[in-house]
Amino acid sequence: SAVISQKPSRDICQRGTSLTIQCQVDSQVTMMFWYRQQPGQSLTLIATANQGSEATYESGFVIDKFPISRPNLTFSTLTVSNMSPEDSSIYLCSVDGEQVNTEAFFGQGTRLTVV
Amino acid sequence: QKEVEQNSGPLSVPEGAIASLNCTYSDRGSQSFFWYRQYSGKSPELIMSIYSNGDKEDGRFTAQLNKASQYVSLLIRDSQPSDSATYLCAVSSNYQLIWGAGTKLIIKP
Repeated sequence: SAVISQKPSRDICQRGTSLTIQCQVDSQVTMMFWYRQQPGQSLTLIATANQGSEATYESGFVIDKFPISRPNLTFSTLTVSNMSPEDSSIYLCSVDGEQVNTEAFFGQGTRLTVV
Repeated sequence: QKEVEQNSGPLSVPEGAIASLNCTYSDRGSQSFFWYRQYSGKSPELIMSIYSNGDKEDGRFTAQLNKASQYVSLLIRDSQPSDSATYLCAVSSNYQLIWGAGTKLIIKP
């Protein structure tokens, strides 16, 4: 299984500011996924990040609000822009195996509180 | 809209008993099914995967899959307080994982 390092693990931010979350994987992966998990809720996919192309965003999420970078096969960042208290959530980076229909592996998550 | 349904709970089970967690899914074409455990404040961790009809056992955990009924379950035998967590069901559909809302399990000593 892949080892995923995500940072920061938590942050408290002022509304209107931006936070960039980093995700580093110990092996090369084609796709990296960014999820949001609001308190007491399940996982919601924000976007899928492929190296060398623009991220693919799910319905309800836009690039201006959640810009993603994927400079190489082991690293990605997610920025939460112009934050509001509604953005308070856990953000999770995930990868899967290189074969179709395999399980997901997660980073430790970033607990974001916007005040 | 492809969906995965779970009872949100909480499901309370006495220590030592069998905990039974259930999940239904809407996409008949799904081929892979996963159970994750998530402790409060932590990220999900995979505990079981199942790909074919029937039962799959791993220690105290048994996953059961019935594709005809579009139903997957997780049994935890000899439940321990450390099993108290939220259990997420995930189903692979069109190269994407569809997640259930999770069932909160409480094991009472």
